[in-house]
Amino acid sequence: GQQVMQIPQYQHVQEGEDFTTYCNSSTTLSNIQWYKQRPGGHPVFLIQLVKSGEVKKQKRLTFQFGEAKKNSSLHITATQTTDVGTYFCAGPEYGNKLVFGAGTILRVKS
Amino acid sequence: DTGVSQDPRHKITKRGQNVTFRCDPISEHNRLYWYRQTLGQGPEFLTYFQNEAQLEKSRLLSDRFSAERPKGSFSTLEIQRTEQGDSAMYLCASSLDGGYNEQFFGPGTRLTVL
Repeated sequence: GQQVMQIPQYQHVQEGEDFTTYCNSSTTLSNIQWYKQRPGGHPVFLIQLVKSGEVKKQKRLTFQFGEAKKNSSLHITATQTTDVGTYFCAGPEYGNKLVFGAGTILRVKS
Repeated sequence: DTGVSQDPRHKITKRGQNVTFRCDPISEHNRLYWYRQTLGQGPEFLTYFQNEAQLEKSRLLSDRFSAERPKGSFSTLEIQRTEQGDSAMYLCASSLDGGYNEQFFGPGTRLTVL
């Protein structure tokens, strides 16, 4: 079945530094979704990318979908302590079943 | 609160016991999903309902697991003869019908099997 891999597993940054997490799928995706899970919380939807090469921004967050629609990235500019959490990418396998990556844990040191 | 709710939030049980969890989705959402999440992993798909119909079930899911959504509203997930390996967070999510829509997750039920 489809596999979704994320790197790095963990990143600890100084507040104000940038952060990037990468997501790779074993198959071409119709779309990719990103979720954030705060410590002790549940996944919360951030964004969905659909088009090849699509780039979307949400304030300090920039999301990209690769040209081949098999990879994606999330970049956070000038991290803040509120950015702490685990960032997951997820792609649909078939139907509406989502396959999640293992996530990238972000810790921010102030 | 109009979000997804789950009950109970925590459950501790002894190995071999049966447990049942409940999920109340956002009222206008036709789709309902169950996931399992263990430490350091992303949510793992278990099963999915469109209204009251269970359309998909993970091949990895043991026969000890069963889910229902009798009236197309709330859903229950039952685990029979629990094993220590069933210890995990069980997440429910719901979404609107049509296409690929964002999923709204509930707070989860944390199951500990002793």
